[in-house]
Amino acid sequence: DQQVKQNSPSLSVQEGRISILNCDYTNSMFDYFLWYKKYPAEGPTFLISISSIKDKNEDGRFTVFLNKSAKHLSLHIVPSQPGDSAVYFCAASPQTGANNLFFGTGTRLTVIP
Amino acid sequence: DVKVTQSSRYLVKRTGEKVFLECVQDMDHENMFWYRQDPGLGLRLIYFSYDVKMKEKGDIPEGYSVSREKKERFSLILESASTNQTSMYLCATSIGGAGQETQYFGPGTRLLVL
Repeated sequence: DQQVKQNSPSLSVQEGRISILNCDYTNSMFDYFLWYKKYPAEGPTFLISISSIKDKNEDGRFTVFLNKSAKHLSLHIVPSQPGDSAVYFCAASPQTGANNLFFGTGTRLTVIP
Repeated sequence: DVKVTQSSRYLVKRTGEKVFLECVQDMDHENMFWYRQDPGLGLRLIYFSYDVKMKEKGDIPEGYSVSREKKERFSLILESASTNQTSMYLCATSIGGAGQETQYFGPGTRLLVL
């Protein structure tokens, strides 16, 4: 049973425009959320995270929004650049346990020059 | 800067072979993880370890075992490789004990079982 869901397998955006990647989760015990970026044949690299006590976290062109009541988070990239083309994974961690991460299935972002 | 290395980038093995994948980290992290990544399935946790000689099963441990004899090294073992174990294998580490931790990944090993 997938506890973290990314319902859009792919997204195409024009360079310079905003990219919005979405993620939904079902487990109310999740209290820490992360986004990872993955290029082909490489391991995922950490992008940005947010704690459940916040509803927004920003780092340069990347902003993550968390809506706890809707169990939904989103990653905004603005402006999008061709180098942002990659697969983006959403991940969530529960309050207790051994710090496992539960991953979504990923969204492939293509930024068109 | 966290560095996680994996012993091989690409491996080709035959069905029935015993396969060892090794992961080494240089940041003194307590936790280490093994995932596999398959198209449309995301990353799935195979095993993790929160201390030397300690291990816990993840979501898909069947057909795998692990070994952690030293803090910096975590090995994934495929006892008898099968074609359905063809996948990208990813090792990750995290500091441990703090909660709300970021995991840092190695470059991955793409395994093909013929």
